[in-house]
Amino acid sequence: EIVLTQSPTTMAASPGEKVTITCRASSSVSYMYWYQQKSGASPKPWIYETSKLASGVPDRFSGSGSGTSYSFTISSMETEDAATYYCHQWSSTPFTFGSGTKLEIK
Amino acid sequence: QVKLQQSGAELVKPGASVKLSCKTSGYTFSTSYMSWFKQIPGQSIEWIGMIYAGDGGTGYNQKFKGKATLTVDTSSSTAYMDLSSLTTEDSAVYFCARNWGDYWGQGVMVTVSS
Repeated sequence: EIVLTQSPTTMAASPGEKVTITCRASSSVSYMYWYQQKSGASPKPWIYETSKLASGVPDRFSGSGSGTSYSFTISSMETEDAATYYCHQWSSTPFTFGSGTKLEIK
Repeated sequence: QVKLQQSGAELVKPGASVKLSCKTSGYTFSTSYMSWFKQIPGQSIEWIGMIYAGDGGTGYNQKFKGKATLTVDTSSSTAYMDLSSLTTEDSAVYFCARNWGDYWGQGVMVTVSS
């Protein structure tokens, strides 16, 4: 099973601040997917195939990486970005998720 | 537009079974995959398994083999997940999601309690 290690677990950012979340895989994966989840809601697709923005996602978000190391970046934090973000791999079964990064507004 | 509508919350007794549904619309059901996920509130998400609606072929997370059974009804564009021999550890929110997770159901809370 591929274990995805996300960091940090929690963080707070001020409006306008740059945010970076990392996700390290225990084995190489072809792509990384990222989801946003707000309290009481279902996960929303945010970034797919490592760097492609899902429909409706603002372009202040970006993703990059390859192999076992991936990152998720918000170029300029906005209030509405406060949520939990999960990385997810679909390369190898069982498909697995990171433990999540809870991002709060400072 | 694509919609995945899940059935309502369930309160079930230990040892019982429950069948969850995920009714879809807005796309060609029979040429898509459906995955199911488990999330205990406050925790991360687990992949339970996946079914190809075209032929009913399935793949499961070994952890959920014997616990979850995935089926589809193409005539109603609905996916189902049976959960059997329920224990308190099965209390969670369960989601269905299409393909790579491009569309998700709203989730259903299953509470196992006597």
